[in-house]
Amino acid sequence: DTAVSQTPKYLVTQMGNDKSIKCEQNLGHDTMYWYKQDSKKFLKIMFSYNNKELIINETVPNRFSPKSPDKAHLNLHINSLELGDSAVYFCASSPSGTKQYFGPGTRLTVT
Amino acid sequence: ELKVEQNPLFLSMQEGKNYTIYCNYSTTSDRLYWYRQDPGKSLESLFVLLSNGAVKQEGRLMASLDTKARLSTLHITAAVHDLSATYFCAVAGGGSNYKLTFGKGTLLTVNP
Repeated sequence: DTAVSQTPKYLVTQMGNDKSIKCEQNLGHDTMYWYKQDSKKFLKIMFSYNNKELIINETVPNRFSPKSPDKAHLNLHINSLELGDSAVYFCASSPSGTKQYFGPGTRLTVT
Repeated sequence: ELKVEQNPLFLSMQEGKNYTIYCNYSTTSDRLYWYRQDPGKSLESLFVLLSNGAVKQEGRLMASLDTKARLSTLHITAAVHDLSATYFCAVAGGGSNYKLTFGKGTLLTVNP
């Protein structure tokens, strides 16, 4: 059983397009996160939702918009994609502020 | 702003040897996590350290936390090739236990 799943696994798109990445967790956790891992493997948190409420909103371009329709899902929509958005995006979940379980990642390539 | 420094960033070692990875952080925190990442894969949780003096061991890896020194160590004993991976420490804090700040990672290569 997959604990934290993401779709798609790979996403190749052109500059200027709009795309979404979906995340689902079946662990019953109340908190979900989005991270960006750049080409140097540096991981940085972008957003976090707790019980569908936005609790962490780091300094990211407002082209990035998270949406949490329910506790088990957290989606990431990106408008007007730029070359610098190319990265691996990880979703994670946790029971409140404890150990985070990471999804498999979505490798986004913007051409 | 919470800063997390890992060193070394690159570590090449021979099988059978011991070594330690260090993780320093800049502000008070009592929650520290170690993760492992294999190439092209997700992050796998290794250890959760929740209090000063905490020590956890799993196989050839042992992690410890000194909150007064703001230092955690990941000690590798008698390394084997299967331990080759990138290891990250992550510290909770910066105003929220939900927010993890990651170190830059240590790329460990264990050579036969």
